[in-house]
Formats: sequence, structure tokens, C-alpha cells
Amino acid sequence: DSGVTQTPKHLITATGQRVTLRCSPRSGDLSVYWYQQSLDQGLQFLIQYYNGEERAKGNILERFSAQQFPDLHSELNLSSLELGDSALYFCASSRSGGGNNEQFFGPGTRLTVL
Amino acid sequence: GDSVTQMEGPVTLSEEAFLTINCTYTATGYPSLFWYVQYPGEGLQLLLKATKADDKGSNKGFEATYRKETTSFHLEKGSVQVSDSAVYFCALSPSNNNDMRFGAGTRLTVKP
Repeated sequence: DSGVTQTPKHLITATGQRVTLRCSPRSGDLSVYWYQQSLDQGLQFLIQYYNGEERAKGNILERFSAQQFPDLHSELNLSSLELGDSALYFCASSRSGGGNNEQFFGPGTRLTVL
Repeated sequence: GDSVTQMEGPVTLSEEAFLTINCTYTATGYPSLFWYVQYPGEGLQLLLKATKADDKGSNKGFEATYRKETTSFHLEKGSVQVSDSAVYFCALSPSNNNDMRFGAGTRLTVKP
């Protein structure tokens, strides 16, 4: 158990809908990262937040957005969903915002868009 | 941009065989390098890391050495076990950025 929690574990929805994925980092970790894992694209970094502020941005679509709240939990919002958005979405956390810090991954949320 | 390339799988070995999974990187500056492992149905776990040239990361019998001259970070284990069956990801964190770039992953299956 990494100490990172993600909810829900599974999510099934329809095209055009909007969903919210939630992540609680390990106690004391200030940084949260979001990743998308799909069969064709592999593991893609989406976005990082550090202590409430956006720190780094990767291959995140404009239809996707994220935020980190004062209690440090984070939410990833996916809107206007398409079939191709079906994937595993992982959240990770680390103690600080530096790139060489170990990231602890949650168990993931599996999103299926029908 | 900075990236990693790792050998394609799947890799199938017998128990106690020697394992090498190749990983090479392209980067400006001095990135940090990582190996993560993903067991079935789970998230990724850090296996080992190295933050500067010639550093050797090691954990659970796995080793990898940061080779700047060959831009490589190959993962090795002298004697694999069935429990090592998993997907292994090489990753890089650029020196001027906070994100993490992952390789495509290599699926390892160890047979008894």
C-alpha cells in the first residue's frame, strides 16, 4: 500500500459526459501528479500540482483539467469524453516538487467510455 | 525533448535466469533516471533510481548503473524469480523540469 488513494476504482460512462477522478496523496506529500495509461499511448504524464499550484504540464488535453485543494487532495476533471479517453488514470504523490523525488503511485481509476 | 527508449517485450525467462532490460535515454543536462515496476492490477512502484552519472541504484537484487557515456540505464538481475513477473518501466526526470517521462514498459514473465 503506497498510501495514495484514488476514487473511484472503476468508472463507466458514455461519450460526451463529464467525470471527476479524486486523489488523496500520502500524508505529508505536497506534490500530486496525474498520468494516463493506455494500451496504445503507454504511460503519459498529464499534469503536476505542488502545494496547490500547477507546477508542470504534460500531454493534457484541453478537455481535461485538474486542481489541488488546500487539504492537498486533487481532482482530475475529464469532459466531453470520447472513446479514446478510456484508460487507467493514475495519481502519484511526492514529498516535494523536485523531479528526482520518488513518486508514490495510487492503484488507479479505470475509466471506460462507451 | 528528453525521452527514454526501452527494449520491447515481452520477455520470458526461466526461474534463476539472468535478466537484462535495456534502457537508453536522450536528454539535455543531467536527468535523474528511474526504474519502476507494475505488478498485475496495481500502480507503479519505484524499484531503484540514480541521480548522477556512475551512480548505481539497487533494490531487491535488481541493479542499474547511470552511464552517461552510453546514455544508458540498463536493468539487471542475476537470478529472477517467478514473483518478479511484472511490467518494468524505465523513466527519466529532466534536469530542468519536474515531469517524468516513461518508456513503453517491458513485460517480464518468469516461468518455474
